[in-house]
Amino acid sequence: DARVTQTPRHKVTEMGQEVTMRCQPILGHNTVFWYRQTMMQGLELLAYFRNRAPLDDSGMPKDRFSAEMPDATLATLKIQPSEPRDSAVYFCASSGDSNQPQHFGDGTRLSIL
Amino acid sequence: AQSVSQHNHHVILSEAASLELGCNYSYGGTVNLFWYVQYPGQHLQLLLKYFSGDPLVKGIKGFEAEFIKSKFSFNLRKPSVQWSDTAEYFCAVNPISGGYNKLIFGAGTRLAVHP
Repeated sequence: DARVTQTPRHKVTEMGQEVTMRCQPILGHNTVFWYRQTMMQGLELLAYFRNRAPLDDSGMPKDRFSAEMPDATLATLKIQPSEPRDSAVYFCASSGDSNQPQHFGDGTRLSIL
Repeated sequence: AQSVSQHNHHVILSEAASLELGCNYSYGGTVNLFWYVQYPGQHLQLLLKYFSGDPLVKGIKGFEAEFIKSKFSFNLRKPSVQWSDTAEYFCAVNPISGGYNKLIFGAGTRLAVHP
C-alpha cells in the first residue's frame, strides 16, 4: 500500500535552530502539499508544488520558511530560524492529477523550546 | 474568499446513536468535495469523496455524505456510530479552477463516542 513518508516523526529543538522536514511523495504523484496543523488555527496550507514547480506558497511566512523539491521523490520544508510559535504538526500530502484525492503522511510533530 | 464551515466543533454521542456533521462552503463554481478523518495521533485519511454524479456518496466504515448544491452543503452521516469512530473529521473543498486540486479545509469536528 503506497504511503507518503515523512521524516522525522518528532523533532524537539531550541529556538533559533534550523529545522528541516522531509517528505517522500507516493511514486507517480506529481502534486505535493505542505500543511501545518495547530489547535488554534487548524489545518493551514503552507505551500504546494506541481511537477516540482512551486504553485502557491502564500500561506508560508516568507522570512523564515522555505519549501523546495530537489527531485520528484523529495520535498523539503525548512524553518530558519525557528521560533516557539512554529510548534505544530506539519503534514505533507501528495496526489496525482486533478480530481485525485490527497494522501497524507504521518506528519512531523515539531516542538520549538 | 473561499471558505469551509463546519458548524459543530465538538460532538459527543453514545454508541449506536446516529451522526450528522454539517459542512457548508462558499464558492459559486464547480467543486470536488471530501471528508477526511483523523484518528488520535494519526494522519488524515480519506473517508469519502464527491466529484460528480449521484449526490449521495458512500465511503468507508459505513459513512455517507450528501451533496446539496443549492445549499452549498456536504453533510456527513452515519446511522449508528461505534466507539472506534472517535476522531476528528474534516470537510474539504477543492474549487475547480486551473486544474489544480488545492484543498480548503474546515476547522474540523471532534467526535467522542462513549460506550
